[in-house]
Amino acid sequence: EAGVAQSPRYKIIEKRQSVAFWCNPISGHATLYWYQQILGQGPKLLIQFQNNGVVDDSQLPKDRFSAERLKGVDSTLKIQPAKLEDSAVYLCASSLDMTGEKLFFGSGTQLSVL
Amino acid sequence: DQQVKQNSPSLSVQEGRISILNCDYTNSMFDYFLWYKKYPAEGPTFLISISSIKDKNEDGRFTVFLNKSAKHLSLHIVPSQPGDSAVYFCAARILNTNAGKSTFGDGTTLTVKP
Repeated sequence: EAGVAQSPRYKIIEKRQSVAFWCNPISGHATLYWYQQILGQGPKLLIQFQNNGVVDDSQLPKDRFSAERLKGVDSTLKIQPAKLEDSAVYLCASSLDMTGEKLFFGSGTQLSVL
Repeated sequence: DQQVKQNSPSLSVQEGRISILNCDYTNSMFDYFLWYKKYPAEGPTFLISISSIKDKNEDGRFTVFLNKSAKHLSLHIVPSQPGDSAVYFCAARILNTNAGKSTFGDGTTLTVKP
């Protein structure tokens, strides 16, 4: 069974530029999460989708971050414009549904904003 | 306000000895707890979990203990092996609400010396 796929693995941009990350969850998983992990900290939830609907985006900085999961399968997270403090690993995770007990994570995208 | 805390950023143990990783939480509504393991450049992977109706769950070399009155859980690894060297994240959730959202601690880096 294929795991959660993310791309790119690494991205280096300058502040004020835009960047996009892509995630393809495990086949059949209805719930998709985007987490931000800053160095030395644990993953922090940015947004959660159930199929193509947003369940929780309370921690998403909506003035610069956006995410979509149009067909209820893969998802894109965008930052525009990026700030220095956005440097982090962006992790995508999926679970069978909202009652799924554990998360399956991708390898993440490491973003450096210079 | 950090609801899940791992107060030890790092732990070093000798191969064959016991590793004990600790986690404290503040939200009494949490009813399900998980441990994830993370190797460098990879996403976290699920290790073991425990429901609040139990006080112990065991899986091979890994045992998780839950003390609800103290709002404390611990992960025991016996015997520790060099391959166990990784970052361990404690996570907590409210199973039937919060739409499955998991709240993570900041992690403990375990080093097992041969």
